[in-house]
Amino acid sequence: GPKVLQIPSHQIIDMGQMVTLNCDPVSNHLYFYWYKQILGQQMEFLVNFYNGKVMEKSKLFKDQFSVERPDGSYFTLKIQPTALEDSAVYFCASSQDRTNTGQLYFGEGSKLTVL
Amino acid sequence: QQQVRQSPQSLTVWEGETAILNCSYENSAFDYFPWYQQFPGEGPALLISILSVSNKKEDGRFTIFFNKREKKLSLHIADSQPGDSATYFCGRGATGGNNKLTFGQGTVLSVIP
Repeated sequence: GPKVLQIPSHQIIDMGQMVTLNCDPVSNHLYFYWYKQILGQQMEFLVNFYNGKVMEKSKLFKDQFSVERPDGSYFTLKIQPTALEDSAVYFCASSQDRTNTGQLYFGEGSKLTVL
Repeated sequence: QQQVRQSPQSLTVWEGETAILNCSYENSAFDYFPWYQQFPGEGPALLISILSVSNKKEDGRFTIFFNKREKKLSLHIADSQPGDSATYFCGRGATGGNNKLTFGQGTVLSVIP
């Protein structure tokens, strides 16, 4: 089936540093998302993105977070500066349609460890 | 405020039994309810979904029962197999609204051979 690729699979950084998580969504998909998961528990919505713009973001999407997809390349999540509580697995997802009836395809996640 | 609640947090059944996973929600504005399955080390994948105009959706061994009046739904996994052992997330979205999909906290299912 369609694949969403995430790079890196795991990153360890010191608190205060910047990190960029990369996502290669399914090729013909138009909507992109980031979710945060801690300890294999609840998948928390962070942000969705369409046509070069953030459509909606949650309270978890702090000012230190930003997303972009320049010129159809990777869809990225940047955290600058990082904090200890940012340690989690971040999942990228994409969909062809709005999630009212469209299926979200998730990547395998990028595990971020902030020391 | 947690708008999607799942129970139980974890569930263990014997192979061949029916596993029942429960989900409830608070806001009637949402009308699309997917269930996602996640194996360790992987991202969630859509298993089955239902729109609130229906009260039942079946796909092989997997069935969703939906009670709009009580704002509850359940996922029944018939003839459970060890390969069904995973975390199951109930989600909710709004067909007329933004394309934000929100999940519950998940149910960890273990199927014992």
